[in-house]
Amino acid sequence: GDSVTQTEGQVALSEEDFLTIHCNYSASGYPTLFWYVQYPGEGPQLLFRASRDKEKGSSRGFEATYDKGTTSFHLRKASVQESDSAVYYCALSALNVGDNSKLIWGLGTSLVVNP
Amino acid sequence: EAAVTQSPRNKVTVTGGNVTLSCRQTNSHNYMYWYRQDTGHGLRLIHYSYGAGNLQIGDVPDGYKATRTTQEDFFLLLELASPSQTSLYFCASRRDRNTEVFFGKGTRLTVV
Repeated sequence: GDSVTQTEGQVALSEEDFLTIHCNYSASGYPTLFWYVQYPGEGPQLLFRASRDKEKGSSRGFEATYDKGTTSFHLRKASVQESDSAVYYCALSALNVGDNSKLIWGLGTSLVVNP
Repeated sequence: EAAVTQSPRNKVTVTGGNVTLSCRQTNSHNYMYWYRQDTGHGLRLIHYSYGAGNLQIGDVPDGYKATRTTQEDFFLLLELASPSQTSLYFCASRRDRNTEVFFGKGTRLTVV
């Protein structure tokens, strides 16, 4: 079945460091890919999404490019801030199955940014 | 901004007790979802629905029932709560397939 694999566990950085959180997926066709962010005490919220090969999604300085060749959608930010500390989820919504009304989620990556 | 409201926000119950978690969305969304979130497991889908009276089984349905009474309201029922159901529960909704999912703030359930 469809699946999402992302950088596991916790990533600890200092302010102004470069961030990469890896996300690879397994699905047929062209699934829609998402990045969600979850701040403490809240539910996840959408960062951005992409649905075509080479499409770039971006928001709040974060970006990711849909790459069908490598089945990846890696999250990057050039200079992180302490306020970026949160849990980040990669997810996909498949197009080709009979019931694609649910998202397939990665396990989440906890980002801790130290001042 | 889409709104998903969960109640209660916190709940403590005893083993074997009955619990109902409530969720209301005022977005006229078709799809609604119940997830549980646990450390090391991420978000796991319990049940979901694509309209009033409809119910679909998710990935971890054992021990849970759900009911979608109206377009707005989706309930999660634990009829014989067990300590393994101690978790943070999220309700979510979205308009159509492949659109953004909006989450509530969560309900923290403790079964003692």
